[in-house]
Amino acid sequence: GENVEQHPSTLSVQEGDSAVIKCTYSDSASNYFPWYKQELGKRPQLIIDIRSNVGEKKDQRIAVTLNKTAKHFSLHITETQPEDSAVYFCAALSGGSNYKLTFGKGTLLTVNP
Amino acid sequence: EAEVAQSPRYKITEKSQAVAFWCDPISGHATLYWYRQILGQGPELLVQFQDESVVDDSQLPKDRFSAERLKGVDSTLKIQPAELGDSAMYLCASSLVRISTDTQYFGPGTRLTVL
Repeated sequence: GENVEQHPSTLSVQEGDSAVIKCTYSDSASNYFPWYKQELGKRPQLIIDIRSNVGEKKDQRIAVTLNKTAKHFSLHITETQPEDSAVYFCAALSGGSNYKLTFGKGTLLTVNP
Repeated sequence: EAEVAQSPRYKITEKSQAVAFWCDPISGHATLYWYRQILGQGPELLVQFQDESVVDDSQLPKDRFSAERLKGVDSTLKIQPAELGDSAMYLCASSLVRISTDTQYFGPGTRLTVL
């Protein structure tokens, strides 16, 4: 089955700096890669996603890049703000008929004012 | 904005007892998922429904866990008997249709503590 590795497990940045979280996946047939943000005690919420036919996608301060050849994708947050502090999860959707979403272990991002 | 609802939000039980969790997906969503999230890890899929049918329960410990979605709307996840290792957050999610890139929307979860 699919295996998703996520790094780093914790990340601390100063307000205004950029943050980058990286993930690798194992199943070359995976074709959909969402990123979820989970604040303490709250539900995971989708912040951005990318499909396998696209190399990069941007939404305001958030961008995701995908390298299918290397089987890795990354989340980039620019001009970080204290409200960006949360746990971020990457995920990969297995190909074929299974449609199973496999998550990474998460990255705790702390943005210091 | 419609959201996935779950209850209870918190559940404390003793080992060997039975527990049940309820999920109400976003109206009209055909696919429903139950995930288990152990502290410090990402959600792990337990079972997936398409309408009232189970399409994937390969990671569901079937000797003690059961799930149903009788009318293809809300769903119940049951654990009997509960074990200490079952302590985790149980998340429900739903998506409109079962296509490869359909967004999954999560509920707030049920935090289970087994003593």
